[in-house]
Amino acid sequence: DTEVTQTPKHLVMGMTNKKSLKCEQHMGHRAMYWYKQKAKKPPELMFVYSYEKLSINESVPSRFSPECPNSSLLNLHLHALQPEDSALYLCASSPIGGWTEAFFGQGTRLTVV
Amino acid sequence: KQEVTQIPAALSVPEGENLVLNCSFTDSAIYNLQWFRQDPGKGLTSLLLIQSSQREQTSGRLNASLDKSSGRSTLYIAASQPGDSATYLCAVSPTMTTDSWGKLQFGAGTQVVVTP
Repeated sequence: DTEVTQTPKHLVMGMTNKKSLKCEQHMGHRAMYWYKQKAKKPPELMFVYSYEKLSINESVPSRFSPECPNSSLLNLHLHALQPEDSALYLCASSPIGGWTEAFFGQGTRLTVV
Repeated sequence: KQEVTQIPAALSVPEGENLVLNCSFTDSAIYNLQWFRQDPGKGLTSLLLIQSSQREQTSGRLNASLDKSSGRSTLYIAASQPGDSATYLCAVSPTMTTDSWGKLQFGAGTQVVVTP
């Protein structure tokens, strides 16, 4: 099973809302990632977790708060977002680190109104 | 700073023709290179992974080559089909350092349309 599952698939939220994106994998991967992708652009790295610890934060605004409660689950908590945060949010995982094959989920399409 | 470029940005071919997609990178100090497919509004599907020590990798109708010294990779798709229509992205992993760990660097992609 090489599947990374993201929920929800679509999310519309107001600028004062709090919501969370969820990502799950059961491949035993110990590295998990959040990427943001705007239309017609390549994915941009936001966060990297290694062995459930945050190892990279690419200067992401604090209104995005990641959490890795266990080795299979990755969350992204959203609060007070701006319309320009509307994008496709992709979760990925890889075996031991960034140098082996990365598997991506289907993404959450986020719209901030 | 690593820069990854994919040319052309868009490509349209008739069904049955072979596809050739290019990816170039400025820093040859990479650990591996991965090709992905992305359908509109969807996530990324991994197609092929080439380690820096490899010259090519094959899977079915797909063949990817890597020339690390010249900073180039090419993805060949044989006998294209309408179902191959998608955006194809390449991504490089830098060599192992604490600062670069986990950072896939993507190209902007090539949008492919295969017409019946």
